[in-house]
Amino acid sequence: GAVVSQHPSWVICKSGTSVKIECRSLDFQATTMFWYRQFPKQSLMLMATSNEGSKATYEQGVEKDKFLINHASLTLSTLTVTSAHPEDSSFYICSARGFGSMNTEAFFGQGTRLTVV
Amino acid sequence: DQQVKQNSPSLSVQEGRISILNCDYTNSMFDYFLWYKKYPAEGPTFLISISSIKDKNEDGRFTVFLNKSAKHLSLHIVPSQPGDSAVYFCAASAGDDKIIFGKGTRLHILP
Repeated sequence: GAVVSQHPSWVICKSGTSVKIECRSLDFQATTMFWYRQFPKQSLMLMATSNEGSKATYEQGVEKDKFLINHASLTLSTLTVTSAHPEDSSFYICSARGFGSMNTEAFFGQGTRLTVV
Repeated sequence: DQQVKQNSPSLSVQEGRISILNCDYTNSMFDYFLWYKKYPAEGPTFLISISSIKDKNEDGRFTVFLNKSAKHLSLHIVPSQPGDSAVYFCAASAGDDKIIFGKGTRLHILP
């Protein structure tokens, strides 16, 4: 299957700082990328959907000013957690769908474990 | 409102037997369904999918069945192997819209 690379795989940051997570589609062009968050023993919660070159669409309850998403190219999307706090500690996962993405699977990155201390 | 439901949080199956994981959905606009497998601290891995125009799709040991009238799908794994122990997520989408996940079912394959 297609490869989606997410970086970093884990990060520890101090409260109040910002953290950027990158998601790259390595062997296909991703017109749509999704960002999910997973709490311990819980399902994947969709945070936002981003389409290349346009603003991300955030799910209800997700603060767009706190979780900045940029999808500047067809192979790269970034999620920046601004002014991180301990409650932002979680496992963040991106996924990507390619051109003609109707009825196709989305491929997932490896995930990023964020710990805010 | 949970659009994709996996009502069994966990399931234990003897090695070599059939594992059946169930999933229900409420949104009649969903036309594409997927199953993902996930290990801790890793991203989900795509397993198998089915379009709403079909009622069955098979890939090796994995078969997905779709009952549109009941808004129900299931994943069958046969024979079950120790490496199948993981969390399985059912997911659905409408066209090229976002993919919505269920809460997952943890499958334990017993020796």
